[in-house]
Amino acid sequence: AQSVTQLGSHVSVSEGALVLLRCNYSSSVPPYLFWYVQYPNQGLQLLLKYTSAATLVKGINGFEAEFKKSETSFHLTKPSAHMSDAAEYFCAVSDRNTDKLIFGTGTRLQVFP
Amino acid sequence: KAGVTQTPRYLIKTRGQQVTLSCSPISGHRSVSWYQQTPGQGLQFLFEYFSETQRNKGNFPGRFSGRQFSNSRSEMNVSTLELGDSALYLCASSLAGSGGVYNEQFFGPGTRLTVL
Repeated sequence: AQSVTQLGSHVSVSEGALVLLRCNYSSSVPPYLFWYVQYPNQGLQLLLKYTSAATLVKGINGFEAEFKKSETSFHLTKPSAHMSDAAEYFCAVSDRNTDKLIFGTGTRLQVFP
Repeated sequence: KAGVTQTPRYLIKTRGQQVTLSCSPISGHRSVSWYQQTPGQGLQFLFEYFSETQRNKGNFPGRFSGRQFSNSRSEMNVSTLELGDSALYLCASSLAGSGGVYNEQFFGPGTRLTVL
């Protein structure tokens, strides 16, 4: 069965600091992997996706993630945090035969001035 | 192009009642999926409809049901509401079926259901 684990339910960084949100996946077949962001009282917005092309994936708002098969990881990074990045971030996995997304428990990012 | 719309945005019901939530996908999208989001359980997949047929189903009791119409609009119904059904219900649409082809899901803003 597929699953994702997000380490750290809360992450706090200072404005301008590196953002690192961790995600590890479990899948018996090559997965599709995603990062979504959710702002308060809103739905989910896709930040970036891995669908077996380049292992380093660039997304919106300056975020990127690297697919590392040997570590079964897909960590999300951003070199310099902005106040507007404060939100909840979800890592998700799906297999190649369905569109069903399996989400991690989420990481709430706080950015301090 | 208009995004995914969900109605109503907020709903308050009492235990034992039933509720129907609606989702209008992006024009041209044929797949609609539903997710439940709660603080305790996180985001959980309910079911997916494609061309008016339920294609995938999550691990929810039979009180949760859905359907899809010929114009791809979807409704989900929850009968005999329980306090634990209080949640944000998210709908997502994508272009077509799967089978190894990646289909990005676009999410609506959700319907927040409160059961008293």
